Amino acid sequence: EPEVTQTPSHQVTQMGQEVILRCVPISNHLYFYWYRQILGQKVEFLVSFYNNEISEKSEIFDDQFSVERPDGSNFTLKIRSTKLEDSAMYFCAGQGAHYGYTFGSGTRLTVV
Amino acid sequence: GENVEQHPSTLSVQEGDSAVIKCTYSDSASNYFPWYKQELGKGPQLIIDIRSNVGEKKDQRIAVTLNKTAKHFSLHITETQPEDSAVYFCAASSMIKAAGNKLTFGGGTRVLVKP
Repeated sequence: EPEVTQTPSHQVTQMGQEVILRCVPISNHLYFYWYRQILGQKVEFLVSFYNNEISEKSEIFDDQFSVERPDGSNFTLKIRSTKLEDSAMYFCAGQGAHYGYTFGSGTRLTVV
Repeated sequence: GENVEQHPSTLSVQEGDSAVIKCTYSDSASNYFPWYKQELGKGPQLIIDIRSNVGEKKDQRIAVTLNKTAKHFSLHITETQPEDSAVYFCAASSMIKAAGNKLTFGGGTRVLVKP
């Protein structure tokens, strides 16, 4: 069964550093998303991406965050200057013509 | 915006018994309600979903019911097995746009099936 692949599985970074989280969606998916889950809290929507542009973003997704799909395959989330509160599990997801999402296994980001 | 509440937060059942998880939502525009299972170290995996034009849907040991009037929906797992142990999330979405149909998640239920 096709999978959404996320790398790395765990990233530790110093506060203030830039991080890039990478995702390889399923090839025939059309819509792409990033969600995050802070330990012990709900899974939260960050951003949706369709037709090479952001279609919706949450209040969390401020100027420190950006997404791109530069080569038609990889879908990346960049955090320019990480803060302690950015520590969370970040999930990439894709969606085809049907309603259901396929999530990746996540990247655990730890900001120290 | 949408708010989804999920109960209970933890659920322990004996193998073979049934498990029921309940969710409520606030936005009457929501019309799509998926349930996800998350095992340790993995991402959420869709196990069943229901759209607002249907009141109930079943897939083997798993069923979901939806009450649009009361704005609540439930997951029912019958004949539970140890491999059903996981965290289960409900979610809601209003699938009215062509793209960017975000999901709003409940807080999750940790299910433990005791052999």
